[in-house]
Amino acid sequence: EAGVAQSPRYKIIEKRQSVAFWCNPISGHATLYWYQQILGQGPKLLIQFQNNGVVDDSQLPKDRFSAERLKGVDSTLKIQPAKLEDSAVYLCASSYPGQDSFGPGTRLTVL
Amino acid sequence: GQQLNQSPQSMFIQEGEDVSMNCTSSSIFNTWLWYKQDPGEGPVLLIALYKAGELTSNGRLTAQFGITRKDSFLNISASIPSDVGIYFCAGRSGGGADGLTFGKGTHLIIQP
Repeated sequence: EAGVAQSPRYKIIEKRQSVAFWCNPISGHATLYWYQQILGQGPKLLIQFQNNGVVDDSQLPKDRFSAERLKGVDSTLKIQPAKLEDSAVYLCASSYPGQDSFGPGTRLTVL
Repeated sequence: GQQLNQSPQSMFIQEGEDVSMNCTSSSIFNTWLWYKQDPGEGPVLLIALYKAGELTSNGRLTAQFGITRKDSFLNISASIPSDVGIYFCAGRSGGGADGLTFGKGTHLIIQP
């Protein structure tokens, strides 16, 4: 089966600009997650969707980050405006209970 | 929030040596997972553990879910060059679909 797809793979922006990331999960996976991985750290959960509803967004900085999952399939994560500390790899994962598969990530550099 | 303490941070070993790394938590987890991440890629699942005391193998890899449900270890036997990478432990405290809490990773380096 095809894995989790993410785009773009790399993005460089200046602070205060906006950026969006896209994720296409594995077909049939109802649960989708976005994680932030800062260099030298493990991934940190930002938001979890079950179908097209938000299950957990307690660690999402809602003043600048937003996410949606259209029709319970693809998802987008947006940052507006970006800060220097947002430089990280943004990982999307999908799950069919208990088996989490990760995409390759989008590496964001904020200058 | 919950944190996982993973050690060691890095390991420098010779090819053929055995490797051991562990993860501890102040909170109970219902699931422990071990992932490997190569540069520029997402984490790839190595072993999943679902019951306290469970010991599971995947080729040269063996992992155990601690009896207290607050720790786990991963062993790699007879290391080979392709084992180089960053290994992460991850725990799930709630149900089967809850998000994961990750450790900071163990960077495995194999010296020629």
